[in-house]
Amino acid sequence: GQQVMQIPQYQHVQEGEDFTTYCNSSTTLSNIQWYKQRPGGHPVFLIQLVKSGEVKKQKRLTFQFGEAKKNSSLHITATQTTDVGTYFCAGPWGNKLVFGAGTILRVKS
Amino acid sequence: DTGVSQDPRHKITKRGQNVTFRCDPISEHNRLYWYRQTLGQGPEFLTYFQNEAQLEKSRLLSDRFSAERPKGSFSTLEIQRTEQGDSAMYLCASSPTMTTPSSVEQYFGPGTRLTVT
Repeated sequence: GQQVMQIPQYQHVQEGEDFTTYCNSSTTLSNIQWYKQRPGGHPVFLIQLVKSGEVKKQKRLTFQFGEAKKNSSLHITATQTTDVGTYFCAGPWGNKLVFGAGTILRVKS
Repeated sequence: DTGVSQDPRHKITKRGQNVTFRCDPISEHNRLYWYRQTLGQGPEFLTYFQNEAQLEKSRLLSDRFSAERPKGSFSTLEIQRTEQGDSAMYLCASSPTMTTPSSVEQYFGPGTRLTVT
């Protein structure tokens, strides 16, 4: 079946530093979604990418979908303490989403 | 509050007991999903409903697990003869009707944390 891998598993940054998490799929994806889960919370949808090479921005967050539609990245510029949480990518597989294991982001103030 | 709600939020049970969880999706959403999440992992798909029809079940869903959505609104997930390995967060999510189920964002509820002792 489809597998979605994320790296790194964990990153601890100083407030103001940048952060990037990478997502790789074993198969070509029709789309990829990103979710954020705050500590003790539930996953919250951030964005969906559909087109090959697509880049979308949300304030300090930049999302990219690879040309081959098998990988994606999320980059946060100048992290803030409010960015703390786990970031998941998810790819479609039939009727369901297959989630990566997530990247835990911790921000030191 | 018009988000997805789940009840109970926490459940502690002894091994061998049966438990039932409830999920109330966003009212206009006809798609409903159940996931299981363990520490350090992403949500794992368990099952999917479109209205009252259960259209897909994961191989993770053993015979001890059953889910229903009798009127196409709320859903229940029952675990019979619980085992310690069932301890996890059980998440419910809903989504509106779009082209394909996996092409639209999902709205997650707060989850039910199950601890089996």
